Amino acid sequence: RKEVEQDPGPFNVPEGATVAFNCTYSNSASQSFFWYRQDCRKEPKLLMSVYSSGNEDGRFTAQLNRASQYISLLIRDSKLSDSATYLCVVDTSGGYNKLIFGAGTRLAVHP
Amino acid sequence: EAGVAQSPRYKIIEKRQSVAFWCNPISGHATLYWYQQILGQGPKLLIQFQNNGVVDDSQLPKDRFSAERLKGVDSTLKIQPAKLEDSAVYLCASSLGGSRDTQYFGPGTRLTVL
Repeated sequence: RKEVEQDPGPFNVPEGATVAFNCTYSNSASQSFFWYRQDCRKEPKLLMSVYSSGNEDGRFTAQLNRASQYISLLIRDSKLSDSATYLCVVDTSGGYNKLIFGAGTRLAVHP
Repeated sequence: EAGVAQSPRYKIIEKRQSVAFWCNPISGHATLYWYQQILGQGPKLLIQFQNNGVVDDSQLPKDRFSAERLKGVDSTLKIQPAKLEDSAVYLCASSLGGSRDTQYFGPGTRLTVL
């Protein structure tokens, strides 16, 4: 079983749509959780951290369910510029900042 | 502020040849990471340095891969000899050094082994 699993997609959605990505992780001792964004042929960039209470940044909402070992990312009012691969990332190292990346979910937003 | 610099950006070699990649982290960042990203997969950590010491190299194929960060700043990653399955993007990242500090990635080196 992979340490971090994501639906690879692609998700093809029209502009303005709401889309949700899910991710599961296997190590129950994981402490920190993130979503990174990676544009085609570019480096990954931190989109947002994920906190136990859930957190929101503009059109993006991230949620964590520790009991189910499940992380989600919701994007509202999708823009063409949201087209990218979204990587679910977990720090399993208990403070050493060792990140485990999922394979990513590809999003394509069309006019 | 300058980001993480990597060179070369692209490299094509034949199997059994050697190759080296260079990374210059963001100024002041104590922690440096090398990742391998194979097409269709997420980045996989190869080695993590804290200043010039190795924190984690558990996933580095030590029979062919080596990395160093001699002065605690720049780092090089070497593959000798390369195999076809080493074709990937090699990403360097750096962070300030705390346990929850954001990792900033460089543009990567795209390696093709023929």
